[in-house]
Amino acid sequence: AQRVTQPEKLLSVFKGAPVELKCNYSYSGSPELFWYVQYSRQRLQLLLRHISRESIKGFTADLNKGETSFHLKKPFAQEEDSAMYYCALSGEYGNKLVFGAGTILRVKS
Amino acid sequence: KAGVTQTPRYLIKTRGQQVTLSCSPISGHRSVSWYQQTPGQGLQFLFEYFSETQRNKGNFPGRFSGRQFSNSRSEMNVSTLELGDSALYLCASSPSGSSYNSPLHFGNGTRLTVT
Repeated sequence: AQRVTQPEKLLSVFKGAPVELKCNYSYSGSPELFWYVQYSRQRLQLLLRHISRESIKGFTADLNKGETSFHLKKPFAQEEDSAMYYCALSGEYGNKLVFGAGTILRVKS
Repeated sequence: KAGVTQTPRYLIKTRGQQVTLSCSPISGHRSVSWYQQTPGQGLQFLFEYFSETQRNKGNFPGRFSGRQFSNSRSEMNVSTLELGDSALYLCASSPSGSSYNSPLHFGNGTRLTVT
């Protein structure tokens, strides 16, 4: 079964502090992993995906198949990073996404 | 390009009624997926349509159904509404048939309240 676990409901950090949002997954095949973000009053949007190996808005995420993790990291948090972050998994076929429960990131000044 | 458009934005229905939600994907996108978002269960996949064919279906009762038209617009229908169907229903579109090729673009959702 496909499953995504985000253990933290809320992560609160100070501006300039490092951020790590945790994501663990369960999938027997070759998954594709995503991070989606929802800012206040905006629609859910893609932040980054593991196959792109990009850094978006200073965020990076590395797929660790041994630990089945895809943690989201940013070295220096900004207030505008405050949002709900969802980790999601997709299998090899189709566009079905399995989402984690989400983590609220609050960046305090 | 215009984003994914969902109508209506808000709906209030009574238990036992049925409801139809509409989704217009981004122009050129052939895949449309539907998700239910609730505080308790989070985001759950309902179904996906690609070129008018249902390709994937989530674990929802048969009261939840959908369809896709030749112009890629999609509708989902919920019959015999229950209080637990109160949720935000999100539609997402993609140009390709696989998330390996292209990510999903989400609409703002339709907020359904069942009383």
